[in-house]
This record gives sequence, C-alpha cells and structure tokens, in this order.
Amino acid sequence: DTGVSQDPRHKITKRGQNVTFRCDPISEHNRLYWYRQTLGQGPEFLTYFQNEAQLEKSRLLSDRFSAERPKGSFSTLEIQRTEQGDSAMYLCASSLLRLNSGNTIYFGEGSWLTVV
Amino acid sequence: DQQVKQNSPSLSVQEGRISILNCDYTNSMFDYFLWYKKYPAEGPTFLISISSIKDKNEDGRFTVFLNKSAKHLSLHIVPSQPGDSAVYFCAASAQNSGNTPLVFGKGTRLSVIA
Repeated sequence: DTGVSQDPRHKITKRGQNVTFRCDPISEHNRLYWYRQTLGQGPEFLTYFQNEAQLEKSRLLSDRFSAERPKGSFSTLEIQRTEQGDSAMYLCASSLLRLNSGNTIYFGEGSWLTVV
Repeated sequence: DQQVKQNSPSLSVQEGRISILNCDYTNSMFDYFLWYKKYPAEGPTFLISISSIKDKNEDGRFTVFLNKSAKHLSLHIVPSQPGDSAVYFCAASAQNSGNTPLVFGKGTRLSVIA
C-alpha cells in the first residue's frame, strides 16, 4: 500500500501527558498537511510543509503543538501537556504540487486521540 | 467565519435515485474545488474535483457542477447505491494564490436506503 500512513491509529492519554503522531506521506509528494477533525465538523487546517519547510500554521495550532518534517519525508506532530479539548482525529495528507494544476490532497486513515 | 458552507447536515435518498449535495463558498479567490467522502473512523477519500475554468466535471456516477456567479457547487450521484452512504465534504482552495490549504465544509451525511 503506497498511500499516506499514520501511526498510531489510536492513542488514549492522560491529561498533561505529551503525545506524538507520525505521518509517512505518499513517496513522491512534496507537500504534507496536518488537519484536525472533531465530531460534526469538517477537517480543520493546522499546518503544512513544502519539502522540509513549514510554510503556514493555523491559529488553531497553539504553542503546545509542534510539527516537524526534518528531511522532507515523514512528519511528526507533537502535542505537549495535552488537554481534554485536544481529543480529536488528527489527519495527515500529502500532495504533489505542480504548476498550473489543482492541488489535490490525499489523506491517511487518521490518528484518534482521546485525552482522559 | 465559514468560508465553505454545507447547509444540509443530512440527506436521505432511495437506492437508484439521484443524490444532490450542495456547497456554497464566500471567498471569491477560491478557484479549485473538491469533494471528499468519509466513512466512520477513516480518513476522507478524494472523489472528484473541478477548476473554476469549467462548470462541470464528470467521473462515472459522480458529476460536480460549479456556478461561479452564485458561488455554489453541487455533487450529483446517479444512480445512488447503498455503498454511497457516508459523509461528504466539500473543499476549496485558491490555486492562483499559491495553492492555499484546502478549506472544508462541515459535511453532509448521505444515507442511501435500499
């Protein structure tokens, strides 16, 4: 399977703990995105990378959240001092950005976070 | 402020009939639109897209229509099948502004009844 891969698929953590999610994009894709989805909402943009450069961060991404894509391949999203409001599905997506072409992004299966 | 709006949270359609899902947007910079389908506990799956230079794009049973003047798009599924039951998300981006990250609507839950 050469789609976007996320790990872990499910994580239950106690409030105040740190968690880290990993995303492996489709291999030739140069853009990588993180979104968050809660019940009854559509995916909400958090941040994205073009190769290893983090180009944009949403105001949803508080200072407890940090994302990296060190070699322009896989990415990690870390949440420090988790709060119950962080409970959500964290979605990773990737795309191959081409000139004069629509940017279609492809999602992974998501990582469910439950903070208790 | 919601830049992409799906005003119908749910829709029920009989198998074999047409399903029409609607989406409105407010940002006039949006020029690339997509529909995604999502099953519970899975990530969204890309279905079909349309650029603002077109007003229609078709792929099998799925057709997307774009009305730029009304800032409205719709997804038609004909004929609807029980396996189409899922949540459908409309998304938009500004391709000519550096391919901005996709902005999603809240989704419409489609139930196709056998």
